[in-house]
Formats: sequence, structure tokens, C-alpha cells
Amino acid sequence: AQKVTQAQTEISVVEKEDVTLDCVYETRDTTYYLFWYKQPPSGELVFLIRRNSFDEQNEISGRYSWNFQKSTSSFNFTITASQVVDSAVYFCALSEQNNSGYSTLTFGKGTMLLVSP
Amino acid sequence: GAVVSQHPSRVICKSGTSVKIECRSLDFQATTMFWYRQFPKQSLMLMATSNEGSKATYEQGVEKDKFLINHASLTLSTLTVTSAHPEDSSFYICSARKTSTEAFFGQGTRLTVV
Repeated sequence: AQKVTQAQTEISVVEKEDVTLDCVYETRDTTYYLFWYKQPPSGELVFLIRRNSFDEQNEISGRYSWNFQKSTSSFNFTITASQVVDSAVYFCALSEQNNSGYSTLTFGKGTMLLVSP
Repeated sequence: GAVVSQHPSRVICKSGTSVKIECRSLDFQATTMFWYRQFPKQSLMLMATSNEGSKATYEQGVEKDKFLINHASLTLSTLTVTSAHPEDSSFYICSARKTSTEAFFGQGTRLTVV
């Protein structure tokens, strides 16, 4: 069974603070993919990043960075110099092939980030 | 990224009626689409996997006769909530798989059954 844990239910920061969203996953597969999505109040899901299990290089994209560590089964997401527009629910997700051979996503429960001015 | 359009974005219906939600991949062909449901302040739960030209695969606990899925073309999948009841009120989101590991999400449909 797979599982994605986002232990932080809600985080509140003040604008310009850095914030890290934690994600811990469980899987028995050696090949899998990890994702982060942003869900603003409008409800749509915005794709942020995909990382395969063989690529442990950290990635930076503007104010966003991701730290993937297989040894601790974690895929944490950091926003530097947070802005009010970053306020949203952030989901971490794990993709594996199911018994039918399809890759489906299992989502964590999400972390609500509130950035105040 | 690829574009997936979901329609309608919001719908209010009376209890006992049926509602159809469309999911279209606009700039790529998707042999597989997924339907998720999200209750307020909760995560997304996979309901079913929709395959073009064949029957959908439903997750455990999801009633196939309640949630009818039709994937008639490589760019369109529909979810029909039949005989909707207030407990079916939720946020429904589709995703279309572009590659074996890339899936793109629609904007979501907020269904309210009164």
C-alpha cells in the first residue's frame, strides 16, 4: 500500500518569510514519481513539479525549491520570500502503477498555507 | 503544460436529477482519464479510471451505477452523477494522462445538490 503524509495541516506565515512544506511517503516500488500541486481558492489544481525516484537532485525554480531524499522518503517543498499569492492548499502526491497497469496518483491530505501581508 | 478543460465549473441541481460533467484534453490525446472527488477540506480521492473505448475501472466503494463514466473519444470523458443526492455534493476533478507519468488536471466542478 502506498501512503503520502503531509503532517502540517495549516501553516501561517508573514509575507517574505521562508516556509517549508513537508511530505513523507511510503512505497515498496523502486520506480515511482512524486508530485507537488497547488490548489488556490478557485479550486483548480496547478502542477508544480514531478520528480522520478531515480533523480535525487534538488531542484530550484524561482522562489520554489524541492528537497528529495530517498533515505528518509521525503520530498519537501520550500517557498522563499513568500507572497500573499502563495496562499493556497499544497498537495504532495505519489504515482505508482496499480494492479491494472495504470499510473494513478495518491494524494496527501494537503497543507493549507496562509501568507499574510 | 497541456490543457484540460472541465465543464461546468459549478452546477446546482435538485435531488433526484442527473448531472453530467465533461472533461476534455484540448491539445493532446488522452487514452486514460481519471476522476477524483474532493470533499471540503479533504484530499482528492480517486474514483475511477476512464479508458477510451472500454469500461471504466472503479475504485473500491465507488458505485458504478451511480457514477457513470463514458470515454467515447481520445479527448473527452464524461462523468454522470445519476439520481444525485445532497451527499453527492462535492468537488469533482478530472485529469487526463498525456504520458505514462504525466497527468494534467481540469479546473474542477463544484456540484451542489439541493
